[in-house]
Amino acid sequence: DTEVTQTPKHLVMGMTNKKSLKCEQHMGHRAMYWYKQKAKKPPELMFVYSYEKLSINESVPSRFSPECPNSSLLNLHLHALQPEDSALYLCASSQDSDHHYGYTFGSGTRLTVV
Amino acid sequence: AQSVSQHNHHVILSEAASLELGCNYSYGGTVNLFWYVQYPGQHLQLLLKYFSGDPLVKGIKGFEAEFIKSKFSFNLRKPSVQWSDTAEYFCAVNVLYSSASKIIFGSGTRLSIRP
Repeated sequence: DTEVTQTPKHLVMGMTNKKSLKCEQHMGHRAMYWYKQKAKKPPELMFVYSYEKLSINESVPSRFSPECPNSSLLNLHLHALQPEDSALYLCASSQDSDHHYGYTFGSGTRLTVV
Repeated sequence: AQSVSQHNHHVILSEAASLELGCNYSYGGTVNLFWYVQYPGQHLQLLLKYFSGDPLVKGIKGFEAEFIKSKFSFNLRKPSVQWSDTAEYFCAVNVLYSSASKIIFGSGTRLSIRP
């Protein structure tokens, strides 16, 4: 298995909703990442998990809450989002976070906040 | 602060034309460099990467890139483009950040190929 799987592919949520994005990989990678990508813009790093521990938080608002239950799973919990949070949320993984061999990206969750 | 610059925002070529997309980075330490491609409606895919050794790196689909340390550049090239190369291309650099490292992306270059 050489893929990063993200669910759901599309999500529409209201500003008072609570939802979660899920990411899964079975490549034995020990670093996992959340990126946010707005239309026609590059991906922007949100969080880095290394060996299931949060190692980088790029000053992301607390309405985004990451969780790494085990080495294969990465969640992003969403609460009280704003319309400007609408974007493509990408999950990625790599062998480790110290020496990159490049990331493997998932296909993303397209989030719309109404 | 570390940064990656892609000066060409949109490049339009005819099929069989040669391609060169520019990428410059700002980082004083050891770098790992990447080019990613994002086809319309698809996820990011790694085209090629440079870590050390031969500065001319060959990737998938006939792409190559040359690392020129003195110019802080890592330009992407292809001798003859095809319509299927229409996509967004992102240059990226791996930088160390406290206890971990992260990849930061350039702003991207949209490549449009006329059939």
